[in-house]
Amino acid sequence: QKEVEQNSGPLSVPEGAIASLNCTYSDRGSQSFFWYRQYSGKSPELIMFIYSNGDKEDGRFTAQLNKASQYVSLLIRDSQPSDSATYLCAVTRPGGGSQGNLIFGKGTKLSVKP
Amino acid sequence: DTAVSQTPKYLVTQMGNDKSIKCEQNLGHDTMYWYKQDSKKFLKIMFSYNNKELIINETVPNRFSPKSPDKAHLNLHINSLELGDSAVYFCASSTVPNEQFFGPGTRLTVL
Repeated sequence: QKEVEQNSGPLSVPEGAIASLNCTYSDRGSQSFFWYRQYSGKSPELIMFIYSNGDKEDGRFTAQLNKASQYVSLLIRDSQPSDSATYLCAVTRPGGGSQGNLIFGKGTKLSVKP
Repeated sequence: DTAVSQTPKYLVTQMGNDKSIKCEQNLGHDTMYWYKQDSKKFLKIMFSYNNKELIINETVPNRFSPKSPDKAHLNLHINSLELGDSAVYFCASSTVPNEQFFGPGTRLTVL
């Protein structure tokens, strides 16, 4: 079983709609969860992190975490064409001595159509 | 004033050569990382250094050797380059564990 799974997409939404990106992870001991945005040919950029069950909002972005279901999602409200990118879900690998050990999913490509 | 910088941005070389990629961060972070992103865009950690000490060494061939002269620099040296080493290599750094900031990447092409 893959450690972090994402639908590769592409996910296509019209401008102004809500884009919903999903991620599941296999290790119940994972404690920290991250969403990175990567534009084509660019480096990943951290946009959200969440450590506790529930929702966390930052501007147009909301991260949702459900540890019981091993599920984390990212909602983008009022999607803009500039949101078109690949969104990478990342999860910490639990266990001692692995500071900063992030496991990335393969990413979901989002396309926002004007 | 770039936070995490890498040089070179592009590197084209022949199989069997040895090459190095340099990384510097001016964020004052204690931990630095090297990642490899392959042609399928899968991003995988290779190494992590905390205050110049190796913390993580994933299953990376020993042809890859990281060197950290100080906590602001983490260089990657690759011996005997192979075709499969072609990828984009990203350096990253963090202070709070796991909230990592990435450099612009080095696209390595091995011919």
